[in-house]
Amino acid sequence: GAGVSQSPRYKVAKRGQDVALRCDPISGHVSLFWYQQALGQGPEFLTYFQNEAQLDKSGLPSDRFFAERPEGSVSTLKIQRTQQEDSAVYLCASHTNEGAGGNEQFFGPGTRLTVL
Amino acid sequence: AQSVTQLGSHVSVSEGALVLLRCNYSSSVPPYLFWYVQYPNQGLQLLLKYTTGATLVKGINGFEAEFKKSETSFHLTKPSAHMSDAAEYFCAVSGGGGFKTIFGAGTRLFVKA
Repeated sequence: GAGVSQSPRYKVAKRGQDVALRCDPISGHVSLFWYQQALGQGPEFLTYFQNEAQLDKSGLPSDRFFAERPEGSVSTLKIQRTQQEDSAVYLCASHTNEGAGGNEQFFGPGTRLTVL
Repeated sequence: AQSVTQLGSHVSVSEGALVLLRCNYSSSVPPYLFWYVQYPNQGLQLLLKYTTGATLVKGINGFEAEFKKSETSFHLTKPSAHMSDAAEYFCAVSGGGGFKTIFGAGTRLFVKA
């Protein structure tokens, strides 16, 4: 079956531009996560959705970052007025939400954002 | 609060040699522990996980890890390295009824012919 897909795979933005990154989770997966992975680092948690509800956004680095999942499936991560420090790979992951924690997350290939 | 420390950002082994990737964690609640592998230009893939029960966990591709609570460790091993094992490996922890997962900085494994 289809895995988690993300688009675009690569995005180059000029500093100050707004960008929107899309995530299509595995069909039926209730939980959806966004992570930021800087070069040479592990993924860092940004935000978590259970269906359309954003239950945890504690990892969003500033109010320039906004995520939504209005119908409980596709999610969009929006970054306003991009800065060079926003350059990273943005990963999306989903899982079935069978029980709290301990669940395997299924990751997409990521979107590599470069801010010039 | 939870954290993960992976000892060694790079590990190099010869083909056929033992692979040992080290992971120590900190958690104030019973942890769930994971190892993920990332191949170039691909998403992370689960190798194995510990939730409860048996502390020696077997995963895909011949990898296994042992949860040692007294040492707060979850080291990843494989008896004999293959060239195809060359990748980046991430240890991660979650728990406490939440879904937030904390990842280590990763260890890049090189396999020499």
